[in-house]
Amino acid sequence: AAGVIQSPRHLIKEKRETATLKCYPIPRHDTVYWYQQGPGQDPQFLISFYEKMQSDKGSIPDRFSAQQFSDYHSELNMSSLELGDSALYFCASSLGRGAAREAFFGQGTRLTVV
Amino acid sequence: GDSVTQMEGPVTLSEEAFLTINCTYTATGYPSLFWYVQYPGEGLQLLLKATKADDKGSNKGFEATYRKETTSFHLEKGSVQVSDSAVYFCALSGTYSGGGADGLTFGKGTHLIIQP
Repeated sequence: AAGVIQSPRHLIKEKRETATLKCYPIPRHDTVYWYQQGPGQDPQFLISFYEKMQSDKGSIPDRFSAQQFSDYHSELNMSSLELGDSALYFCASSLGRGAAREAFFGQGTRLTVV
Repeated sequence: GDSVTQMEGPVTLSEEAFLTINCTYTATGYPSLFWYVQYPGEGLQLLLKATKADDKGSNKGFEATYRKETTSFHLEKGSVQVSDSAVYFCALSGTYSGGGADGLTFGKGTHLIIQP
């Protein structure tokens, strides 16, 4: 069965650079969520989209932005990168919105800022 | 805000032992509760969930009961296997604080190690 696809799997950037992470949800899923998981930490909710509109916002820094496109894929744009942005970034998708819906997670993008 | 507290790990058990991982929560509304499992190098997989008080979620021999009176959702398994070694996250959703209506609020995770 198709799963959530994230690209790239690994990314190395220097401080103050920008990064773009991509997420392709399971076909027919209309909701996408982004999470950030620091080393040894629990995942922190960043932002979500439903039917291409922002649905909910968590602890996303102002330096980050995201959107969901007409084909339902989503991109997380990160600017002025800091060392503390080094983390595993997960995307998840669900059919319908609301966290009670089962969310299927991708394998994550590991971002390292040097 | 909403929060989830899990027992600290790592938890090391022998194969076929009984497993309990404690999870308690604080929430202002009536959240749904989840257990997710994360194997090395992989994403999070939903293990089980419960959406209202006294519901029992179960999957692959694991089970957890939503206890509103004790605000708990402890994970149990009668006989663990080496393949159960992973990090287990308790999470809640469905309230309008903390992560918001859509986002899950996770506990810190419990690293489970099963020895042959």
